[in-house]
Amino acid sequence: QKEVEQDPGPLSVPEGAIVSLNCTYSNSAFQYFMWYRQYSRKGPELLMYTYSSGNKEDGRFTAQVDKSSKYISLFIRDSQPSDSATYLCASPSSTGKLIFGQGTTLQVKP
Amino acid sequence: DTAVSQTPKYLVTQMGNDKSIKCEQNLGHDTMYWYKQDSKKFLKIMFSYNNKELIINETVPNRFSPKSPDKAHLNLHINSLELGDSAVYFCASSQDARTDTQYFGPGTRLTVL
Repeated sequence: QKEVEQDPGPLSVPEGAIVSLNCTYSNSAFQYFMWYRQYSRKGPELLMYTYSSGNKEDGRFTAQVDKSSKYISLFIRDSQPSDSATYLCASPSSTGKLIFGQGTTLQVKP
Repeated sequence: DTAVSQTPKYLVTQMGNDKSIKCEQNLGHDTMYWYKQDSKKFLKIMFSYNNKELIINETVPNRFSPKSPDKAHLNLHINSLELGDSAVYFCASSQDARTDTQYFGPGTRLTVL
C-alpha cells in the first residue's frame, strides 16, 4: 500500500464547475500536507500548504484535511481551463522525504 | 530569472550509454533533490543533498550517482542506461532540509532506446 494515494483520473469538468480532488494517506505520523500543481511538460509547483485539520482557503482554492479519516481534499471553485493540470498531494515523512500521491489529472473544458 | 534550471531538457540515448543531467538553483537554498517521475506521473525521491552532503539516498541502483560541487548545483550521472530508466527527472531545492516547500525545475525527459 502506498503511503499517499490518489485516483489518477483523468477528471473532466465543464468550465465553472466545482472540482473536488482527494487523497488518502496511511501514515498517522503525517502532520503537514501540500498540494502541488503540475502543468503538462512542467515541474510541480506548490499550490497550498496545510498543517492541521480543517480548511484553508486561498482564492478559488480550498484545502481540507481530516486527520481522523486520513483524508485530504482540494476544492476548486469556478474552475477555469487554466486549471487544467495534474494535482499532486504530498506529505513530508519523519525522515524528511516528501511522499507524493500519484496525482490526479484534471481537464476543465471551456 | 529561472529559479531551478536543468539541462538538457530532452535526452534520447541508447541502452548501455552513460549520461549526465545538470541542475542549478539561484535561490540560495541549502538543500537540493533529484526525483524520478514515471509514465504514470508517480513522483519519487531519489537523492537529497544538504550543503553538498548526501542526506537522502533512496533505493536507487548504483548506476545512478549524484554529485554536488557546491550547494547551488546538483548533477546526476547515470551509467549503463537501461530501458527502465526512461522517465522525467526533476531537480528541486528547498531553503534547508527541514523546510518542506520545494521548488522544482522544468524536468529532463530521458528516453532510452
